[in-house]
Amino acid sequence: GAVVSQHPSRVICKSGTSVKIECRSLDFQATTMFWYRQFPKQSLMLMATSNEGSKATYEQGVEKDKFLINHASLTLSTLTVTSAHPEDSSFYICSAPRTGPTDTQYFGPGTRLTVL
Amino acid sequence: AQSVTQLGSHVSVSEGALVLLRCNYSSSVPPYLFWYVQYPNQGLQLLLKYTSAATLVKGINGFEAEFKKSETSFHLTKPSAHMSDAAEYFCAVSPRGATGANNLFFGTGTRLTVIP
Repeated sequence: GAVVSQHPSRVICKSGTSVKIECRSLDFQATTMFWYRQFPKQSLMLMATSNEGSKATYEQGVEKDKFLINHASLTLSTLTVTSAHPEDSSFYICSAPRTGPTDTQYFGPGTRLTVL
Repeated sequence: AQSVTQLGSHVSVSEGALVLLRCNYSSSVPPYLFWYVQYPNQGLQLLLKYTSAATLVKGINGFEAEFKKSETSFHLTKPSAHMSDAAEYFCAVSPRGATGANNLFFGTGTRLTVIP
């Protein structure tokens, strides 16, 4: 089946630094990928839609300058948390839709970011 | 606007007992509905999805859900709980109702505990 990977799985950084998270579709191409954020014991909240070859679309309330998204190729999207602060600590999950007879979104395993 | 509501943030069942996780949706057009499972520190795995075909949908791990338009519900059930079913379960709706490839809006999740 389709697989989406994320790297790193866990990252701990100091306040003020930037962190890049990669999302890859391993056996299919994805012109669109989605980035979600999940706070402890809460649901997933859509942050932005990553579009290959064009700018990302951000959900209301998400700072685009804070969360930089680059969809570099049909299999890779990156989320960079710039000047990270402790309140940015969260579980970040990406997903990629695979279109076809059984349109389905495939989710990455998530990246746990801890900002000290 | 489309949304889903999951009734009960925590559900506990005995091993071998019926599992029932509730989800109600709100949609102005026929929606596509999904159930996902999340194990600790992992991404989401699709259990099943409703895409306007059969109203009773069978998924993986013995789970099934029934779409009831009159009740605007899509409850998840499993006849006999296993210890391995302990996880967080999310109901989700696709806002455009076209495919599962569009961004999803999630309920707040239900944590299932299975008691030996």
